[in-house]
Amino acid sequence: DAKTTQPPSMDCAEGRAANLPCNHSTISGNEYVYWYRQIHSQGPQYIIHGLKNNETNEMASLIITEDRKSSTLILPHATLRDTAVYYCIALTSGNTPLVFGKGTRLSVIA
Amino acid sequence: EPEVTQTPSHQVTQMGQEVILRCVPISNHLYFYWYRQILGQKVEFLVSFYNNEISEKSEIFDDQFSVERPDGSNFTLKIRSTKLEDSAMYFCASSYMAGGTEAFFGQGTRLTVV
Repeated sequence: DAKTTQPPSMDCAEGRAANLPCNHSTISGNEYVYWYRQIHSQGPQYIIHGLKNNETNEMASLIITEDRKSSTLILPHATLRDTAVYYCIALTSGNTPLVFGKGTRLSVIA
Repeated sequence: EPEVTQTPSHQVTQMGQEVILRCVPISNHLYFYWYRQILGQKVEFLVSFYNNEISEKSEIFDDQFSVERPDGSNFTLKIRSTKLEDSAMYFCASSYMAGGTEAFFGQGTRLTVV
């Protein structure tokens, strides 16, 4: 599975959009981009995933560049409860399990 | 919303003792996982389980560890002879489809080996 690179930490003002980048320059054609988050030692929580089209759900939007070498997770109106570590994972569908890196620690500030 | 339930939430055990961590996955899920997270470190994959057998395991998952789905609803992780370095948060997860697709994680069991 492709290696992903994320900034170690980011801050975001409450109510503003949080844009979390992820580089996956070695991603292969059949690898999806998954985003999970972990709020203070709770179990990781699935957010969204995509292959090449942009995706949106009730939690977030995922923007994947045309060359698929990078992506951005967007939380449109960050709240204090969005403070968490966010993980970007490139993974083929199939029985390969999730492998978590260090992620980005997002701090939402009032 | 359906959820993965783990018991106990905290477990303290003496070194060398056996522990069993229990999980009730979401009822129609087919794939089951155990992860662990040592304090301040990454979430680490231990094992995946499908169709009543281990489908993949990491180097961490040595002979001291075993998993079982004894009754079609519970999914357990057994550590035969605990070591101090087994102290960690253990997360169970389940998914309907394989891989990362919308895996649901439990709230974890904090294991402390003394």
